[in-house]
Amino acid sequence: DAGITQSPRHKVTETGTPVTLRCHQTENHRYMYWYRQDPGHGLRLIHYSYGVKDTDKGEVSDGYSVSRSKTEDFLLTLESATSSQTSVYFCAISPGQGSNQPQHFGDGTRLSIL
Amino acid sequence: AQSVSQHNHHVILSEAASLELGCNYSYGGTVNLFWYVQYPGQHLQLLLKYFSGDPLVKGIKGFEAEFIKSKFSFNLRKPSVQWSDTAEYFCAVNGKGNNRLAFGKGNQVVVIP
Repeated sequence: DAGITQSPRHKVTETGTPVTLRCHQTENHRYMYWYRQDPGHGLRLIHYSYGVKDTDKGEVSDGYSVSRSKTEDFLLTLESATSSQTSVYFCAISPGQGSNQPQHFGDGTRLSIL
Repeated sequence: AQSVSQHNHHVILSEAASLELGCNYSYGGTVNLFWYVQYPGQHLQLLLKYFSGDPLVKGIKGFEAEFIKSKFSFNLRKPSVQWSDTAEYFCAVNGKGNNRLAFGKGNQVVVIP
C-alpha cells in the first residue's frame, strides 16, 4: 500500500468548531487530494495540491481550506464545522508526472459534526 | 469538465454468477479510465486502468474492463464472482493532461454465498 497516513481516523465535534484533518505521505509524490465520500454521491473533490504552497479548488470547496507547507503534508481545515460536513474524508496522492498515474488513497477519516 | 455515470447502483447476485457494471463518461478529448474497489470499511484500491493500446484491460482478482470509444463506455466485468467481491465499485476518468479525477457515484455489489 502507498505510504499515506490520515489523522485522526475518527472525530466527533460540535457545530461551529474548527477542525483540521491531516494527510501525511512518505512517497514524495507531487500531487495530493482531499475528497469527501457521501452515500449516493460517490467521491467528490474538495481541494488538491500540485506542489508546496500550490493548491486549487475542487467541486465542493465551499467551507473548506487547505495548506501544504511541506511535500509530505496536506492539511484540510473546516473553519467552522457544519452538520452538512459530516462525511468520510479521503486523502489521495499521485506522482503527477503526466496524467497517466492512478491516485492512491489513504484509509479515511470519519468526521461527525453534531 | 469530465463526468461519469454508473448504472445499477445496487447489485445483488449469487456466487458464480457473472457481473457487469456499466460506466459511461462525458469528455470531449482523450481520457484515462480507472475502476476502483472499496471493500467494507476500507479505502479505495485500484482495480484496473486504461491509458492507451488494447481496449480490453485485465486487472486484479479476475476483473476486466473494455473501453469502447464510440460509446464513451468502460464497463467492468467478472465471469464468476465470489463472496469476497462484495464491495463498492467506482469508475473514474480524467482527461489527458488533467490530474483531476471525476468519479461516478458507485455500484454497491453484494454477493450472496
